[in-house]
Amino acid sequence: GNSVTQMEGPVTLSEEAFLTINCTYTATGYPSLFWYVQYPGEGLQLLLKATKADDKGSNKGFEATYRKETTSFHLEKGSVQVSDSAVYFCALRRGGGTSYGKLTFGQGTILTVHP
Amino acid sequence: NAGVTQTPKFRVLKTGQSMTLLCAQDMNHEYMYWYRQDPGMGLRLIHYSVGEGTTAKGEVPDGYNVSRLKKQNFLLGLESAAPSQTSVYFCASKGGGIDEQFFGPGTRLTVL
Repeated sequence: GNSVTQMEGPVTLSEEAFLTINCTYTATGYPSLFWYVQYPGEGLQLLLKATKADDKGSNKGFEATYRKETTSFHLEKGSVQVSDSAVYFCALRRGGGTSYGKLTFGQGTILTVHP
Repeated sequence: NAGVTQTPKFRVLKTGQSMTLLCAQDMNHEYMYWYRQDPGMGLRLIHYSVGEGTTAKGEVPDGYNVSRLKKQNFLLGLESAAPSQTSVYFCASKGGGIDEQFFGPGTRLTVL
């Protein structure tokens, strides 16, 4: 079956530090890959996505590249801010017309950024 | 445009009690989903619906039932609550042909 593995957290950084959150996946075929973010007390919201190999998703200074050869979709940001403190989830959607949009999520990584 | 709303926000139940969680969306989305979020386990799909009048099991359906009598509403029922169902429950919806799921703010349920 499909699965997503994220790096263990929590991650604590100082403001303006470089961020990497690792994500690897197991899936057959050609899944679509996503990063969702959950701010304190809120539901999840889509941060970025990539739908095919070598695609780069980007939003709000965050980037992730779909690497099929390493089955990875690592999240990066060059300079984090306190407002980036949240829980980050990597997710995949199985390719093909019968996925019905169902997502498989990683366990989530808590990021705390200090001033 | 409220997006996805969930009722209630918090609830405490005793073992064996029943309750229904309501999810409503005003985006005319075809697909709706119920997830539970537990520490260290991410979100796991309980049940989902691909349209009005349809429901299907997800990854962890045992102990839950759902109904989608109206397109905008997706109800999650617990017939006999157990402490293992203590969790945060999220509802999400998605339009056809779109990748993004839109999430509600969650319901925190505690079963004593």
